[in-house]
Amino acid sequence: GENVEQHPSTLSVQEGDSAVIKCTYSDSASNYFPWYKQELGKRPQLIIDIRSNVGEKKDQRIAVTLNKTAKHFSLHITETQPEDSAVYFCAGIQGAQKLVFGQGTRLTINP
Amino acid sequence: DTGVSQNPRHKITKRGQNVTFRCDPISEHNRLYWYRQTLGQGPEFLTYFQNEAQLEKSRLLSDRFSAERPKGSFSTLEIQRTEQGDSAMYLCASSLAWQGLTGEQYFGPGTRLTVT
Repeated sequence: GENVEQHPSTLSVQEGDSAVIKCTYSDSASNYFPWYKQELGKRPQLIIDIRSNVGEKKDQRIAVTLNKTAKHFSLHITETQPEDSAVYFCAGIQGAQKLVFGQGTRLTINP
Repeated sequence: DTGVSQNPRHKITKRGQNVTFRCDPISEHNRLYWYRQTLGQGPEFLTYFQNEAQLEKSRLLSDRFSAERPKGSFSTLEIQRTEQGDSAMYLCASSLAWQGLTGEQYFGPGTRLTVT
């Protein structure tokens, strides 16, 4: 089955700098890769996703890139702000139904 | 609020008791998922429904767990004879699957279960 590895587990950046979180997946048949942001005590919130027919997608300060050959995808946050502090999870789809999540990255934005 | 809702938000129960959680998905969504999340981990898939049909169950879902979606709308997750290892956040998500394409999954706020 699908296995998703996420790195780093913790990331600390200065406000205004960029943050990059990377994930690899094992199932070459996976075709959908969402990213979720989870603040403490709250639900996972979908922030961006990418399908396997595109290599990059951008939404304001957030972008995701996908390399199908290497089976990895990355989340890029530019001009980071304190409210970006949270745990971020990448995920891949297995069998076109269930999400398989990475282990999470705790992102801290230092003022 | 038109998002996914879950009740109760918190449940404390004694070991051996039965508990039932409810999930109300986004109204037009035909798929409903249950996940379990423990502290510091990502959500783990438990089961999912397309309309009222339960199409897949994880090996994590022992025979003490049962889920239903009787009319293809809300769903319930029951845990019988709870164990301390069942303590976790139980998350529900829903999506709209259309023409074989995977839809975005939107999560509810979760039910936090504590088994004492």
